[in-house]
Amino acid sequence: AQSVTQLGSHVSVSEGALVLLRCNYSSSVPPYLFWYVQYPNQGLQLLLKYTTGATLVKGINGFEAEFKKSETSFHLTKPSAHMSDAAEYFCAVSDRAGGTSYGKLTFGQGTILTVHP
Amino acid sequence: SQTIHQWPATLVQPVGSPLSLECTVEGTSNPNLYWYRQAAGRGLQLLFYSVGIGQISSEVPQNLSASRPQDRQFILSSKKLLLSDSGFYLCAWSAGLAGLDTQYFGPGTRLTVL
Repeated sequence: AQSVTQLGSHVSVSEGALVLLRCNYSSSVPPYLFWYVQYPNQGLQLLLKYTTGATLVKGINGFEAEFKKSETSFHLTKPSAHMSDAAEYFCAVSDRAGGTSYGKLTFGQGTILTVHP
Repeated sequence: SQTIHQWPATLVQPVGSPLSLECTVEGTSNPNLYWYRQAAGRGLQLLFYSVGIGQISSEVPQNLSASRPQDRQFILSSKKLLLSDSGFYLCAWSAGLAGLDTQYFGPGTRLTVL
């Protein structure tokens, strides 16, 4: 069974500082990995995803994440935080295609990012 | 382009009352459809998914049910709501085979059971 662990339910940074949100996964097969962002009372929006190929993935709003197989990690980073980045962030893992696994995602518990002036 | 709608946006219901939440997708055919629940501080829990009309798979036992009467319509129902059914319900869709395609989420329905 797959699982996702997001270290830190709350992360607080200053505007302009580095953002680092941690995600570790457990999967029996090479996974697909996702980061989503959720603003208050809204649905989830895809930030970026890793499927195959380059392990450093660039997403929207200046975010990027690196897939490290040896560390089973997919941490999300942004060099300089902006006030508009304040939101909840979810890491998710999906089995690769095959069998009856119809695109099911397993989500982490989420990390709330606070950005202060 | 594809869009996903959910309604109502918010709902307050008494315990024991019925529930019907609707989700529709535009701009794609034969999507995979999903219902998630997000309870405070508990992340996202997959409730149901569907790969076609009339095909529903349940992930967790509960007093909720789902139906897919049309290709792009997904309905979440309950005959009698419990307090524990309160939460934020999200519908999502994806195209293609398992795990190959991203899930796209609707705006959600905030359900409060009193």
